Amino acid sequence: GAGVSQTPSNKVTEKGKYVELRCDPISGHTALYWYRQSLGQGPEFLIYFQGTGAADDSGLPNDRFFAVRPEGSVSTLKIQRTERGDSAVYLCASSPSTLSYNEQFFGPGTRLTVL
Amino acid sequence: AQSVTQLDSQVPVFEEAPVELRCNYSSSVSVYLFWYVQYPNQGLQLLLKYLSGSTLVKGINGFEAEFNKSQTSFHLRKPSVHISDTAEYFCAVIGRMDSSYKLIFGSGTRLLVRP
Repeated sequence: GAGVSQTPSNKVTEKGKYVELRCDPISGHTALYWYRQSLGQGPEFLIYFQGTGAADDSGLPNDRFFAVRPEGSVSTLKIQRTERGDSAVYLCASSPSTLSYNEQFFGPGTRLTVL
Repeated sequence: AQSVTQLDSQVPVFEEAPVELRCNYSSSVSVYLFWYVQYPNQGLQLLLKYLSGSTLVKGINGFEAEFNKSQTSFHLRKPSVHISDTAEYFCAVIGRMDSSYKLIFGSGTRLLVRP
């Protein structure tokens, strides 16, 4: 009965480095979302996958951010040339489908700190 | 585009007292409405949602909320709070015409229940 899992739970990196954040959705969920939650703020949408394809990436802040979901299950959020402003909690959520509204189930998040 | 306003960043209340957490939204289209709770070091959990039908919706842990279309509000209420209700509460919307069903969150309200 596993929920959404995210690894690592914490990541500390230096400015300019590359990082990868992983999300394992609930088995069978076809929809996957990434959100970013900065300190004192609500989560902000980054990108949405339906299956393997990124159906909506309108929330990615710039071209340093990229996400993949090659087999329609696990997803990786990749951040190049990290900046201090990228420090936040990155949340992943999955949902059975988006043929109609379905509840999104959230993981515990990865806390990224850029020094 | 949609936006959500949670005017109260923190609400202190004594145990067993009633509480109301305010949420107002702005949207040019019809929306679905949600309340999520975030306990320390845990993922977001859905408390309740309004999709259609009765404007008074009941959720988990004794919470309820009322959709008021004319006031564009979706305030969360509980008649008697417990210490364990101490958490961050987020109001969120989804535009009904948004095929990606991405959540737009408010900035959150921290409920602090004191003995």
